[in-house]
Amino acid sequence: GQQVMQIPQYQHVQEGEDFTTYCNSSTTLSNIQWYKQRPGGHPVFLIQLVKSGEVKKQKRLTFQFGEAKKNSSLHITATQTTDVGTYFCAANFGNEKLTFGTGTRLTIIP
Amino acid sequence: GAGVSQSPRYKVTKRGQDVTLRCDPISSHATLYWYQQALGQGPEFLTYFNYEAQPDKSGLPSDRFSAERPEGSISTLTIQRTEQRDSAMYRCASSRRAGEKLFFGSGTQLSVL
Repeated sequence: GQQVMQIPQYQHVQEGEDFTTYCNSSTTLSNIQWYKQRPGGHPVFLIQLVKSGEVKKQKRLTFQFGEAKKNSSLHITATQTTDVGTYFCAANFGNEKLTFGTGTRLTIIP
Repeated sequence: GAGVSQSPRYKVTKRGQDVTLRCDPISSHATLYWYQQALGQGPEFLTYFNYEAQPDKSGLPSDRFSAERPEGSISTLTIQRTEQRDSAMYRCASSRRAGEKLFFGSGTQLSVL
């Protein structure tokens, strides 16, 4: 089936350390989106990646789409307490519905 | 509206009862999605609409689940003969067009006792 695996499931980092979450699919994707969900909140859109090998940056966040369009990563540099939450990738397999990954829950140790 | 609105925010029901959840999307958005999210999990696709058409309902767990969007705006998700396993957060999201970024509502937390 069309599934997307996301690792790690949990990540605890010291404030100021970097953080990376990865998404992998066995099938080529049309595009991939990333969302952040704060504790008790709803998913909020961060970015969409469409092109093979694409890299996009938002301040301390760097998003990459693999050359084969089967994997993606989100990297946060120098984490802050405001980065706490669960980060989801959401894959588009070309059928107009978004399939969400299982998420990576980030906690920050002050 | 300014954002995606869902009601009720919480719903507690007894096993065997029917429930209807409502979603009011952003007014200019053509596409509306329903997701089910269990605690600690990612949103699981249920169904989506392009205006009033429902191209994909493959994620609906059983025939007890149905969704409508009769005028291409407000949508309802109905669960008949609820079971305890139906307890979850039900999230509605809309997008300007299919495949574009989703705007989520605050969700309806359903508890089936």
